[in-house]
Amino acid sequence: QQPVQSPQAVILREGEDAVINCSSSKALYSVHWYRQKHGEAPVFLMILLKGGEQKGHEKISASFNEKKQQSSLYLTASQLSYSGTYFCGTEMKGGTSYGKLTFGQGTILTVHP
Amino acid sequence: NAGVTQTPKFQVLKTGQSMTLQCAQDMNHNSMYWYRQDPGMGLRLIYYSASEGTTDKGEVPNGYNVSRLNKREFSLRLESAAPSQTSVYFCASSEGWGVYTEAFFGQGTRLTVV
Repeated sequence: QQPVQSPQAVILREGEDAVINCSSSKALYSVHWYRQKHGEAPVFLMILLKGGEQKGHEKISASFNEKKQQSSLYLTASQLSYSGTYFCGTEMKGGTSYGKLTFGQGTILTVHP
Repeated sequence: NAGVTQTPKFQVLKTGQSMTLQCAQDMNHNSMYWYRQDPGMGLRLIYYSASEGTTDKGEVPNGYNVSRLNKREFSLRLESAAPSQTSVYFCASSEGWGVYTEAFFGQGTRLTVV
């Protein structure tokens, strides 16, 4: 069950903000965010856990609404380097679902000077 | 420190041929994954191995088999390739689940089936 991302594409000018959303129909244990540059492998940005624990590497923030099974990625004061495709990955709760990481269809972010 | 290494990087197959995609990680990770990436479809999970000795189907397992050879290696086999399997294949690994599920990806294998 792939999570659903919105919007599919965003075009920004440098310095503008963007929000990318991710939602699941299943109860989630964790939500991940990755960025992929063209022709490269996806790279980890952030993980959010049920209960609020968060681990990330960059100056990009995110939230996780456990009741709605939704997560949002916030990119503020965007830079040219933020361009790429953003994927949310979800790990569902229960049984054999732990450790099973499934991804949404991606959101293409383009930042212009 | 190589991380996740996939071989080959490019491959062209004829319909009906078989091949094995190799993946190895040197981070002592427990979990390993195979994804395929098609335009507009995101990353779709083919198979995963939550720990050494176990493998489970993902969202799109038909036409594929996997082997978790040891803790380091996780291979993906196409027994009889079809044009619908033309895709970019990514192998990934993670330490475990929950907070340990940060996935590290290989550089991908671009497979074309003609």
